[in-house]
Amino acid sequence: KQEVTQIPAALSVPEGENLVLNCSFTDSAIYNLQWFRQDPGKGLTSLLLIQSSQREQTSGRLNASLDKSSGRSTLYIAASQPGDSATYLCAPYGGATNKLIFGTGTLLAVQP
Amino acid sequence: EAQVTQNPRYLITVTGKKLTVTCSQNMNHEYMSWYRQDPGLGLRQIYYSMNVEVTDKGDVPEGYKVSRKEKRNFPLILESPSPNQTSLYFCASSLAYGEQFFGPGTRLTVL
Repeated sequence: KQEVTQIPAALSVPEGENLVLNCSFTDSAIYNLQWFRQDPGKGLTSLLLIQSSQREQTSGRLNASLDKSSGRSTLYIAASQPGDSATYLCAPYGGATNKLIFGTGTLLAVQP
Repeated sequence: EAQVTQNPRYLITVTGKKLTVTCSQNMNHEYMSWYRQDPGLGLRQIYYSMNVEVTDKGDVPEGYKVSRKEKRNFPLILESPSPNQTSLYFCASSLAYGEQFFGPGTRLTVL
């Protein structure tokens, strides 16, 4: 059974800092992995999708890496801004049940 | 605009009164799913559908029904809602093995 852990659970940084969010998963037999952000009480916004054959994916100030064999993914946020404050969720996808297994999330606060 | 829509966005109801939450996508996606999100438990899959007329149970299907008569729609039916179904519900869609797109969520309260 896939289990997903995200570290740290919460993070507070001053504006402008570069930061790394970590995600680990127990079953490496995945097709892809998605990173989402969720604002309080709101929906999930897809940030990046990494296919299992890829090592990393970039979108603007965001860069996600995937090491499938070791069961790890990281989300790097460059030059953080207060608007980046949200909960970040990683979710590997196993395929057979069309199911994303969500991590526990990292609550990020970027202080102005 | 490519999107997943859900209705209603907010609903307060009473125990036992049947309700339906609609989900529709305009991206011609084969795959659709329903999730619920609860504090401390995260997001859990309720039901999923790989294509029209093909549905199957997720992790927490008890008390829910779904149907997939058209590719774009995947309604979630609560035949006899109970207070433990109070939650934030999300519908999602994707191409096979592709990026999943989520709807805005439906906040349901069952009294």
